[in-house]
Amino acid sequence: SAVISQKPSRDICQRGTSLTIQCQVDSQVTMMFWYRQQPGQSLTLIATANQGSEATYESGFVIDKFPISRPNLTFSTLTVSNMSPEDSSIYLCSVEPLTGTNTGELFFGEGSRLTVL
Amino acid sequence: QKEVEQNSGPLSVPEGAIASLNCTYSDRGSQSFFWYRQYSGKSPELIMSIYSNGDKEDGRFTAQLNKASQYVSLLIRDSQPSDSATYLCAPQGGGKLIFGQGTELSVKP
Repeated sequence: SAVISQKPSRDICQRGTSLTIQCQVDSQVTMMFWYRQQPGQSLTLIATANQGSEATYESGFVIDKFPISRPNLTFSTLTVSNMSPEDSSIYLCSVEPLTGTNTGELFFGEGSRLTVL
Repeated sequence: QKEVEQNSGPLSVPEGAIASLNCTYSDRGSQSFFWYRQYSGKSPELIMSIYSNGDKEDGRFTAQLNKASQYVSLLIRDSQPSDSATYLCAPQGGGKLIFGQGTELSVKP
């Protein structure tokens, strides 16, 4: 598996501001994804972070609200823009390690717990 | 119909018993299936993957897959209090994992 570091681990933000979450992996990975886990809920996929091109967003998520970058194979950022209390959630970076076989197994970072006041 | 449905919890079993967790999915194109365990306040941890029909055993865990019935399950034998967590079923479709709502398992000493 890969070691995945997310920053910040938690933050309290004011309504209307934006926050960028970073995800750094210690080895090259094929796929990187961003998930959201709202309180008491399961994981919802926000988007697939594509290296060197625009992210692929799931239904209900748009680039203006959740811009994503992935400049190389080991790093990605997710920005939560113009935040409202409804954005209070845990945001999770997940990766599929580059193993030579396409197992589809994903590993998760520790998450970034965001509270919007 | 939800894409992934898991049996509603919480599921409570005594220590040493078998815990049975069930999951159905709607995407017939799904080829890979994963079970994650999530402790409260922690991120999900991969515990089992299964790709072919039948059973796959790993220690106390057995995953069962029936693609014709679009059904996947996880059995935990000799359940321990440390197994108390939420278990998430995640079929892979279109190159991405879609998670069920999870089943909370409580193992009582």
